[in-house]
Amino acid sequence: GDSVTQMEGPVTLSEEAFLTINCTYTATGYPSLFWYVQYPGEGLQLLLKATKADDKGSNKGFEATYRKETTSFHLEKGSVQVSDSAVYFCALSDGGFQKLVFGTGTRLLVSP
Amino acid sequence: DAGVIQSPRHEVTEMGQEVTLRCKPISGHDYLFWYRQTMMRGLELLIYFNNNVPIDDSGMPEDRFSAKMPNASFSTLKIQPSEPRDSAVYFCASSLQLAGYTDTQYFGPGTRLTVL
Repeated sequence: GDSVTQMEGPVTLSEEAFLTINCTYTATGYPSLFWYVQYPGEGLQLLLKATKADDKGSNKGFEATYRKETTSFHLEKGSVQVSDSAVYFCALSDGGFQKLVFGTGTRLLVSP
Repeated sequence: DAGVIQSPRHEVTEMGQEVTLRCKPISGHDYLFWYRQTMMRGLELLIYFNNNVPIDDSGMPEDRFSAKMPNASFSTLKIQPSEPRDSAVYFCASSLQLAGYTDTQYFGPGTRLTVL
C-alpha cells in the first residue's frame, strides 16, 4: 500500500540555519504530496502542496519539489526562526481519493 | 469562516464510561475525517464521510468506536465503553472535493482524551 517515510527527529538547529527534512513516498498511482505543520497544542495546518511531478510548493519561506524520479518531497527553508519550532508531517493522497497517508512526523527545535 | 470546530477540547473520564466527541466541519465541505494521534502510532485515519455517508471505516479500532454524521454540519465520534488505551488526541478534518482533484484537509484543534 501507499506509504510515506520521514527522517527521524528531533532536528535541532540554531536560528538562521538551513533546514532540510527528508520525505520519500511509495504509491501505486500519481499522488498529490503535502507538508503539514503542527504547532504545540494545535491541529495540523497545511504548509504547502504539489499535485504533479516537478511542481514546487512554497509558503512562508518553506519549499518542496515533487521529484517523481526519486519519489521524494523534501522540505527546505533557507533561514529558520524560533517560531518555526513545530512538528512537520509529510503526506500523500493518491489522486482522486480523499484519504491522506501521513508520515510519522519530524519535530523541529530552533534555538535563538 | 471559523474553521473546523471540535468540542470538548479536553476530556478526562474513567474507564468504562461513554465518551462523545463532537465536530462541526467548515460550511460547504463535503468530506469529514476523524483521526487519532498517539505517540506510539502517530496519526491514524479512523473513518471518513462523504456527503454525510460513511465511506471507509477500516481504521476504526474496534466495535467500541462508532461515528455518525446526521447532517452536513455535525459529526460525533463515540467510544463506549472507554479504556485507558483510548487516551489520545482526536482530530476532525474537513475538505471540499473539486472535480476529480484532492483538496486540502482542514484540521480542527483536536480533543485531548484521557481515560483513567
